[in-house]
Amino acid sequence: QKEVEQDPGPLSVPEGAIVSLNCTYSNSAFQYFMWYRQYSRKGPELLMYTYSSGNKEDGRFTAQVDKSSKYISLFIRDSQPSDSATYLCAYRRETSGSRLTFGEGTQLTVNP
Amino acid sequence: NAGVTQTPKFQVLKTGQSMTLQCAQDMNHNSMYWYRQDPGMGLRLIYYSASEGTTDKGEVPNGYNVSRLNKREFSLRLESAAPSQTSVYFCASNKLQGTSGNTIYFGEGSWLTVV
Repeated sequence: QKEVEQDPGPLSVPEGAIVSLNCTYSNSAFQYFMWYRQYSRKGPELLMYTYSSGNKEDGRFTAQVDKSSKYISLFIRDSQPSDSATYLCAYRRETSGSRLTFGEGTQLTVNP
Repeated sequence: NAGVTQTPKFQVLKTGQSMTLQCAQDMNHNSMYWYRQDPGMGLRLIYYSASEGTTDKGEVPNGYNVSRLNKREFSLRLESAAPSQTSVYFCASNKLQGTSGNTIYFGEGSWLTVV
């Protein structure tokens, strides 16, 4: 069983839509939860991270963590064509140094 | 502001050939990583180096070797390339200090095809 499951998509939405991206994980030792964004032919870049259950907001982006269900989500409000990218969830254990475990990524296209 | 620089960006190899992917970071980071990214498999860690002088295997180390030449540079070598090593390779680095360990900075990627 994979430690992290992420729907690979692709996901295509109209501009202005609310987007929901989701991951589930099986390892209870994961303590940090992150979302990375990867544009085509570029390296991933950190979008948001959170440590605890609950919501964390940054502009149009909201990261939600439910540790009891081992489920994390990323919501994008008022989506823009510039949000078109692959979004990867990532996890880290405190004892693993900075080694991250990544989901396989969800490809998102926002159509103008 | 270069960040993480990796070369070459594109390479085609014949089966059995060897090559080295070079990586350098200018952020004074302690930790460096090599990942590969394949469709349906996500990013998988090949090798990492927590600090200068140390290297450790990641999830998929077979067929690869690494060298942490100094604090800035971390190279990945394919001794005898196989078609299964066709992939996009990313070098990355970070500080490894508390929550800053979550911010890993990636290079632009190296597209490798083995025929």
